[in-house]
Amino acid sequence: AQSVTQLDSHVSVSEGTPVLLRCNYSSSYSPSLFWYVQHPNKGLQLLLKYTSAATLVKGINGFEAEFKKSETSFHLTKPSAHMSDAAEYFCVVSDRRGGSYIPTFGRGTSLIVHP
Amino acid sequence: DSGVTQTPKHLITATGQRVTLRCSPRSGDLSVYWYQQSLDQGLQFLIQYYNGEERAKGNILERFSAQQFPDLHSELNLSSLELGDSALYFCASEGARGYTFGSGTRLTVV
Repeated sequence: AQSVTQLDSHVSVSEGTPVLLRCNYSSSYSPSLFWYVQHPNKGLQLLLKYTSAATLVKGINGFEAEFKKSETSFHLTKPSAHMSDAAEYFCVVSDRRGGSYIPTFGRGTSLIVHP
Repeated sequence: DSGVTQTPKHLITATGQRVTLRCSPRSGDLSVYWYQQSLDQGLQFLIQYYNGEERAKGNILERFSAQQFPDLHSELNLSSLELGDSALYFCASEGARGYTFGSGTRLTVV
């Protein structure tokens, strides 16, 4: 069975300060992990993907995430927040279910960026 | 443009009615996933098709059904609609980079 928990429903930061969005997962197998972003009234855009090649994954728009197996975590970070980063962020685990890989979404973290 | 096309973008219909949502995956992608996004349930996996065959089922109601055609586009059929079916419905196709999502169909049941 697979599940993903986003530890914060809302994160509020000031522009120019670091961003940390936390995600923990559970999986029966070695999972693929993703972060997606959803801007208001928009679709879901892939930020980055982990598939066991490297534990530190760099994504678009300056975001990166670190896979820590011992902590079953895949937290998303960015050194300096920009106003345009304000959006909903989803941690996703793709785990094997029968003969298929099914992406399971966390409940999302709303990132609020103050000027 | 993600390469995954969903139509229509918006749909308003009455309770008890039936609607069909359409999804065209990215060129070359064989797998299509359907999701329902609502405020209270978040993003829920409904069903997956691969090259025309159903591969996995999630929290899909019996009133809902889907299929994938030989040209790989997929349709999600929602019948006997209830107010609670109002939601954003996404499809995604799977490629080497991961899952690419369409912009969604916003269904409002009145």
